[in-house]
Amino acid sequence: DAGVTQSPTHLIKTRGQQVTLRCSPKSGHDTVSWYQQALGQGPQFIFQYYEEEERQRGNFPDRFSGHQFPNYSSELNVNALLLGDSALYLCASSFRPTNYGYTFGSGTRLTVV
Amino acid sequence: DAKTTQPNSMESNEEEPVHLPCNHSTISGTDYIHWYRQLPSQGPEYVIHGLTSNVNNRMASLAIAEDRKSSTLILHRATLRDAAVYYCILSNFGNEKLTFGTGTRLTIIP
Repeated sequence: DAGVTQSPTHLIKTRGQQVTLRCSPKSGHDTVSWYQQALGQGPQFIFQYYEEEERQRGNFPDRFSGHQFPNYSSELNVNALLLGDSALYLCASSFRPTNYGYTFGSGTRLTVV
Repeated sequence: DAKTTQPNSMESNEEEPVHLPCNHSTISGTDYIHWYRQLPSQGPEYVIHGLTSNVNNRMASLAIAEDRKSSTLILHRATLRDAAVYYCILSNFGNEKLTFGTGTRLTIIP
């Protein structure tokens, strides 16, 4: 049973560019959340998608946007990249919005140079 | 969001029990206590959660103080694979985001 799949695993972008990260949730899950994890810190909540709509959003600027597709997969887009956006981006899925039992992917390591 | 306090790091010997403490003195009556762990180069992994009563599953046990202001994650017999950062998180039903702190880095000594 495949867990949460994220692509790509690593990415290097130049400051000012745009990036799209992708996430396929665990089979049977329909809700996707995105987190940003800076080096040495715990993950920080970006937003959550359910029924193709953004349900909840953390304290991130509008440069961070997302989308959920009918097959429940999701994309995270970041525009006008800053050096400070360098981080591990994690996707977590669940069955329905819930506050327990999330399954996380291994993340996409984004480096902005 | 209610805050949790955990020690930065702990060490334990392999095959011995491990008790990971977490303080959450401002917990509200509807806050659930969650534990996740993050192994090196992986995303966080759900361990256990509870509200008021102690909880057991195949991975660990969660002991919750009577006043709910603290809790302890118990690994009954530590293995090298249990070396990870352990996060104690509070989350209220209806607010599904997880607010991670910096967690406790657990080192297992062979």
